[in-house]
Amino acid sequence: AQKITQTQPGMFVQEKEAVTLDCTYDTSDQSYGLFWYKQPSSGEMIFLIYQGSYDEQNATEGRYSLNFQKARKSANLVISASQLGDSAMYFCAMRPNQGGKLIFGQGTELSVKP
Amino acid sequence: EAGVAQSPRYKIIEKRQSVAFWCNPISGHATLYWYQQILGQGPKLLIQFQNNGVVDDSQLPKDRFSAERLKGVDSTLKIQPAKLEDSAVYLCASSRDRGFYEQYFGPGTRLTVT
Repeated sequence: AQKITQTQPGMFVQEKEAVTLDCTYDTSDQSYGLFWYKQPSSGEMIFLIYQGSYDEQNATEGRYSLNFQKARKSANLVISASQLGDSAMYFCAMRPNQGGKLIFGQGTELSVKP
Repeated sequence: EAGVAQSPRYKIIEKRQSVAFWCNPISGHATLYWYQQILGQGPKLLIQFQNNGVVDDSQLPKDRFSAERLKGVDSTLKIQPAKLEDSAVYLCASSRDRGFYEQYFGPGTRLTVT
């Protein structure tokens, strides 16, 4: 079964510190994509970063980086230098090889403290 | 470039009533998705269109939910009759095509069934 697991319902981080949000996935596909989205209280899903299963280097987008460990089936999101505006729900998602739908995890609520 | 548009943003109805949501994807995007996000969970795909054809509706409760994308552009999702458990945010997303393309999400419609 294809599944995304996020084991941290809530996380706290001090402003300007780095934080890691955990994500593990389960799939038998060889080719797949992994995504992280941010959902602020306004409700809109904002794309953060993408990692392809065949990408050898970890993806980075500004303050966001994805720690991809294929053998362990993990795709953790690292946010460096946290800002107050980073407080939101964060969802890890997977797109299996066959088809375009995203399979989402349960999400992690991140709170950044001043 | 204009984003994904959805209306209405909020809707309150009584159980057994009907409701319709509208989505206009980003211009030129061939693939359109409707997701249901129940409070505290990640979004779950209801239906995926490729142009005006249905690609995946395996998780759509077809006895009460219907969706169409007649001209391959905008789409309507309908619920008739609504149940209490249909209370959720309904997110529309679009992508350039199927495969490993980024999905852009609209602001969502928050439905409350009383």
